[in-house]
Amino acid sequence: ETGVTQSPTHLIKTRGQQVTLRCSSQSGHNTVSWYQQALGQGPQFIFQYYREEENGRGNFPPRFSGLQFPNYSSELNVNALELDDSALYLCASSLELNSPLHFGNGTRLTVT
Amino acid sequence: GNSVTQMEGPVTLSEEAFLTINCTYTATGYPSLFWYVQYPGEGLQLLLKATKADDKGSNKGFEATYRKETTSFHLEKGSVQVSDSAVYFCALKDSGAGSYQLTFGKGTKLSVIP
Repeated sequence: ETGVTQSPTHLIKTRGQQVTLRCSSQSGHNTVSWYQQALGQGPQFIFQYYREEENGRGNFPPRFSGLQFPNYSSELNVNALELDDSALYLCASSLELNSPLHFGNGTRLTVT
Repeated sequence: GNSVTQMEGPVTLSEEAFLTINCTYTATGYPSLFWYVQYPGEGLQLLLKATKADDKGSNKGFEATYRKETTSFHLEKGSVQVSDSAVYFCALKDSGAGSYQLTFGKGTKLSVIP
């Protein structure tokens, strides 16, 4: 059984640029959540997608957006990058909305 | 709003020592409580959970009891190993309909030395 995989593992971008992070859910999982983990902090909820629709959103500005595809893989897009967007971005999938989360290893984004 | 407070780290222990990591929470309802572990370079793994008051979650020698009266969910292990070195996160999920997000504490880094 393949777990949650994220790509790329590391990324360096310049302030003002745009970035797309990708996530492949665990097989059979129809729900995906994205979290931002700043250095030395706990993960913060960005949003969740269920069957291709956004199902909830945390306290993040609209320049953070996402997509979930028919195969339940997902993208996180961030526009107009700011220095404070530097963080580890974690994707987590679950079998259903209230099932346990399975996390990927994350994408480390550095904004310079 | 919901919040989770964990004891400040880092925590350094000798192998076979007793471990306690304190966690208290604030929530509007009756949340489910979790402990996640993050090994270096990896994502989070669910360690244990409890869904109602007085429940005890346990896994790999770790235990935590859901204490509603003290709004706490302290993590304990009787004898730590070097392989337990990691960052531990306490988290909650609200019980309301449509509750879908986890609220995490800041994490406690544990280092176990031989």
